[in-house]
Amino acid sequence: DAKTTQPPSMDCAEGRAANLPCNHSTISGNEYVYWYRQIHSQGPQYIIHGLKNNETNEMASLIITEDRKSSTLILPHATLRDTAVYYCIVRVGGGSEKLVFGKGTKLTVNP
Amino acid sequence: SAVISQKPSRDICQRGTSLTIQCQVDSQVTMMFWYRQQPGQSLTLIATANQGSEATYESGFVIDKFPISRPNLTFSTLTVSNMSPEDSSIYLCSVELASDTQYFGPGTRLTVL
Repeated sequence: DAKTTQPPSMDCAEGRAANLPCNHSTISGNEYVYWYRQIHSQGPQYIIHGLKNNETNEMASLIITEDRKSSTLILPHATLRDTAVYYCIVRVGGGSEKLVFGKGTKLTVNP
Repeated sequence: SAVISQKPSRDICQRGTSLTIQCQVDSQVTMMFWYRQQPGQSLTLIATANQGSEATYESGFVIDKFPISRPNLTFSTLTVSNMSPEDSSIYLCSVELASDTQYFGPGTRLTVL
């Protein structure tokens, strides 16, 4: 079973920041938080991952709380093309553990 | 990142037949994975395929139904055998890179009549 809890759906206005929350209260010290998104049945797209520090790349920012029990993915300026299902996944680093996908959050960006 | 391709991109098959899906990556990778996504559902891991060893299957998936080959570090196949309509799904391969990140192929959309 997935170790994360996400709201089933969210809406965001185009051009505004989209803040997607994720709860992972049972996360272990060696588990990373990964975010993927899936646009209309395409293959999931990697967005970002982090262990305990906040991370930023060209796609998004990842904010992890100090106790690591929750995190927020931030899309700073959402566009219509960001409409997708966003998955938050916790996984041990090192490449030996599978990704366990939950139901994710369906983000709809409205014009 | 990695460039991953899958063939075919989609297919419509008759029940009782088998389909082999190919996954090709543009760099050598040790770990490849096969996932299934049933209509309206999330992704479920079928098996992990490491080059030079037998694939490791998840609970609920068996080798007779989903045989996997991994002949080299850039290629893998998944066969869906003796298909039924319940096998209608999107099948996706992914690869693990040294950055501890998995990248996914575009998927194969299978419809079984």
